[in-house]
Amino acid sequence: GAGVSQTPSNKVTEKGKYVELRCDPISGHTALYWYRQSLGQGPEFLIYFQGTGAADDSGLPNDRFFAVRPEGSVSTLKIQRTERGDSAVYLCASSALGGTGVREQYFGPGTRLTVT
Amino acid sequence: AQSVTQLGSHVSVSEGALVLLRCNYSSSVPPYLFWYVQYPNQGLQLLLKYTTGATLVKGINGFEAEFKKSETSFHLTKPSAHMSDAAEYFCAVSGFSGTYKYIFGTGTRLKVLA
Repeated sequence: GAGVSQTPSNKVTEKGKYVELRCDPISGHTALYWYRQSLGQGPEFLIYFQGTGAADDSGLPNDRFFAVRPEGSVSTLKIQRTERGDSAVYLCASSALGGTGVREQYFGPGTRLTVT
Repeated sequence: AQSVTQLGSHVSVSEGALVLLRCNYSSSVPPYLFWYVQYPNQGLQLLLKYTTGATLVKGINGFEAEFKKSETSFHLTKPSAHMSDAAEYFCAVSGFSGTYKYIFGTGTRLKVLA
């Protein structure tokens, strides 16, 4: 079946511009996660949705970052007034509740954001 | 705060040699543990996971890992390296404090020498 998809795969924008990154999770997965992976680092958690609501947004670095999931499926990560430090690969993952309660996450290929 | 430490940002092994990638975590309760592999310009692919039960976990591509609570470790091994194993490997934990977000280590890049 189809995995997690993310669009665009690459995005180049100028400092100060607004960008939107899209994530299509695996069908039926109720949980959706956003991570940010900077060069040479492991992914860092940004936000987690359970259904339509953000259950945990403790990883969002500041109020320039915002994410929505209005219908409990597709999610959009929005970044206002982009800064060069926002340059990274943004990963999306989705999961379903497992039998033991563990939520194994399936990752998309990521969106590489470059802010010039 | 919870953390994951992967010792060795770069590891080189000869083809056919043992692969050992180290992962230690800090947690007051046994978490869920995962190893992911990332090939260049691709997303993360799950190799194996530990949730409960048997502490020796077998995954895909001949990899396995052993959960050792006393050492707070979850090292990844493979008896014989193959050229196709060259990639970056990430250890992750979740399930602590009622949250399902992952905390990742900084990764280990595995190089396989012919």
